Amino acid sequence: GAVVSQHPSWVICKSGTSVKIECRSLDFQATTMFWYRQFPKQSLMLMATSNEGSKATYEQGVEKDKFLINHASLTLSTLTVTSAHPEDSSFYICSAVKPLQGGEAFFGQGTRLTVV
Amino acid sequence: DAKTTQPPSMDCAEGRAANLPCNHSTISGNEYVYWYRQIHSQGPQYIIHGLKNNETNEMASLIITEDRKSSTLILPHATLRDTAVYYCIVRVVNSGGYQKVTFGTGTKLQVIP
Repeated sequence: GAVVSQHPSWVICKSGTSVKIECRSLDFQATTMFWYRQFPKQSLMLMATSNEGSKATYEQGVEKDKFLINHASLTLSTLTVTSAHPEDSSFYICSAVKPLQGGEAFFGQGTRLTVV
Repeated sequence: DAKTTQPPSMDCAEGRAANLPCNHSTISGNEYVYWYRQIHSQGPQYIIHGLKNNETNEMASLIITEDRKSSTLILPHATLRDTAVYYCIVRVVNSGGYQKVTFGTGTKLQVIP
């Protein structure tokens, strides 16, 4: 299957700082990528849809000024958690949709963010 | 997207078939049934998908009822590495491939030695 790579796999940051997470589709071009967060023992919650060359679409209740999404190319989307706080600690997962193949969604390995 | 209902947990003996049910009684005619699984602390992994015919690949089989209101994912010979949370999702797939993938609570499958 297709490969989607996330970086970093884990990160620890101080409260008040910003953290950038990258999501790359390695062997296909993805006009659409999704960002999720997952708290322990819970399901994945969709945060936003990232569209190449346009503004991201955020789900209800997700602060767009706090979770900045940039999809500058067909193979890269970034999520920046700004002014991070301990409650932002979570598992963040990206997904890229492979068009022309039934719209299958392929997922990155996730990024564990811990804010101290 | 139509909602799905799955049992929260199941056990299966190693080497036996694991049959994971999913109800999607409000599925629309153009919605596909997708299955993903998530092993602890990893991203979800695509397993299989189908529209109305039964499907089989190297990982699993997907059985969809004739009325499409439910489906069953079958892992023919479960191994310990199949222990994971399995998610059943229904979604429209258009030519551009854009469609949100929204997760329910899934079924936690525990394969027992």
